Amino acid sequence: KNQVEQSPQSLIILEGKNCTLQCNYTVSPFSNLRWYKQDTGRGPVSLTIMTFSENTKSNGRYTATLDADTKQSSLHITASQLSDSASYICVVNDNTNAGKSTFGDGTTLTVKP
Amino acid sequence: EAGVAQSPRYKIIEKRQSVAFWCNPISGHATLYWYQQILGQGPKLLIQFQNNGVVDDSQLPKDRFSAERLKGVDSTLKIQPAKLEDSAVYLCASSSTGLGNQPQHFGDGTRLSIL
Repeated sequence: KNQVEQSPQSLIILEGKNCTLQCNYTVSPFSNLRWYKQDTGRGPVSLTIMTFSENTKSNGRYTATLDADTKQSSLHITASQLSDSASYICVVNDNTNAGKSTFGDGTTLTVKP
Repeated sequence: EAGVAQSPRYKIIEKRQSVAFWCNPISGHATLYWYQQILGQGPKLLIQFQNNGVVDDSQLPKDRFSAERLKGVDSTLKIQPAKLEDSAVYLCASSSTGLGNQPQHFGDGTRLSIL
């Protein structure tokens, strides 16, 4: 069964600090992995997509990594801001005709002043 | 471009009543999804449409949930009768092709509370 596990479940950091969120998956065959940011009361918004051949991709202060051998991804946030407070959801897509998406339960990040 | 529109934003009903949610996807997007998101969890797919045909409804509780996408554009999701465990946020999303390499664009959801 395809699964996506995220850790930690929740995280509190001070403004300006860095943090790293983890995503482990068992989805097969693998197509790509997306990180979404979900603000409270809003729908998820795509931050970045990682394909099999990509190890690192940056989007501003967000940097995603992918290790396809160990089936792990991380999302690193640099110099956190109050607006980074949100849930971060890892979604892995399989490479079948159906292109199914498996969602993690997210990591809730709280950035405090 | 305009985003995915959903209504209503909030709905409170008593158990055993019925409720309907509406979704207008991004113009031109062939694929439309309905998700149920329980507090503290990731979205769970209820049904996926490709144009006006159903691609996946394997996790839709068909004894009480129904969905349609007439003319391949707008969609409605209905619950009848509602149970306490249906309290959740119902998210609609659309993508251009339904292939995994295209992002899903989500609406802000309808928050349903069952009393």
